[in-house]
Parts: sequence; C-alpha cells; structure tokens
Amino acid sequence: AQTVTQSQPEMSVQEAETVTLSCTYDTSESDYYLFWYKQPPSRQMILVIRQEAYKQQNATENRFSVNFQKAAKSFSLKISDSQLGDAAMYFCAYRSAIREYGNKLVFGAGTILRVKS
Amino acid sequence: DGGITQSPKYLFRKEGQNVTLSCEQNLNHDAMYWYRQDPGQGLRLIYYSQIVNDFQKGDIAEGYSVSREKKESFPLTVTSAQKNPTAFYLCASKNRGSSPLHFGNGTRLTVT
Repeated sequence: AQTVTQSQPEMSVQEAETVTLSCTYDTSESDYYLFWYKQPPSRQMILVIRQEAYKQQNATENRFSVNFQKAAKSFSLKISDSQLGDAAMYFCAYRSAIREYGNKLVFGAGTILRVKS
Repeated sequence: DGGITQSPKYLFRKEGQNVTLSCEQNLNHDAMYWYRQDPGQGLRLIYYSQIVNDFQKGDIAEGYSVSREKKESFPLTVTSAQKNPTAFYLCASKNRGSSPLHFGNGTRLTVT
C-alpha cells in the first residue's frame, strides 16, 4: 500500500519570505499523481498544485511550486513571497493512475504553516 | 454554482445512536468519496463509489455504511458500532480521467 509522509508537523515563515514543506511517499507504481492541498481554518480543502509522475517538469502555480524528485520519491512544496493568507494546514496526497484502484487519495498527516507579520 | 454540499455543518448525537451525514453534488461527477479527519492523522478514506449502485470499502470502513442510489448523493451512516465516531467528515467527488478531487465543506460530528 502507498504511504505519504510529512515529517514537519509545523513550520513558520516570515511574511514575504520563502518556505518549503517536505513530503515523501512510498509506492511501487511508476505512474501516479501527487497533490498539495491547503486547509485553512474554515476547513475547506483547496487544491494548491498537482504533479503528474510522468512529467519531469516541476509544476508551478503562481507563488507555489514543487520540487518533484521521482527517484527519491520526494515531493516538496515551495511557497514564495509568503502571505498571511497562506497560513493553513497543508496536506500532501498521492493517487494511483490505475483506475481500478478507485482514484483514491492517500494523504500525509499534514503540516501546519504559520505566517508571521 | 456547481459544488458539493454537506449538511449539517455541526452534528451532535448521543452514544448508541446511528446518524446519517448528507453529501450532495451537482457537478455531474461519477465518483464520490468519504474521508474522516482526526487531529494529527490527516484524512483517511472510509468508503468510495465510482458509479451509481456500487461502492467499495476504504481503509477504515468498520462501523460505517453508505448508499449510492443516485449519482448526486452519497450519504454516510455512522453506526453505533463505530467506536470513536467523533471527528470531522469530508465528502469529495471527482470527474473521470485525471481531474482532481473536489471537496465539500465538511461535517463536524460530536458523539457524547
């Protein structure tokens, strides 16, 4: 079974600075998807960024980018120019590309990000 | 606007009672999912359904039941057999292909 590990329970960053959240995963599959979700205090799950494993290029969405290292099974999230609104719980998630597995997301335990003004 | 509606936002029940959490989507998505969130454990999959009238157990299905009689609806029943039902429950849905999951706003269930 696939597992996702987020080794940083909590991180802090100064407003306007850059922070990197770590995520590692374990799988024997070669084709899969990786995601970062943000959960603010409202508890709404918001998709931040996604990465297809077959793509070598790292995904980028405005101030959010990932460092995808397939061989190392690492998928870190970099937030540039941090803003107060970035404060939230961040979840890393894995999904197999095999449809018969139900497109289920496997989540890490999450990292609480605090942004200091 | 299309989306996923979970109701109610907060739910309180006495121990030993069954309770049903509602999840409705108007996104025309085929697949629907129920996740449970506990502090420090991330989200864990309870049940999922890829098509009407069919559903599969997730990682923590014991003490829960679901039905999928309509494409738009995927209610979750928390039975008295669930030993630790107090948690935050999230419903999600997904379209075909590589599209991401869309989540509802969740239901906070408290059982005393």
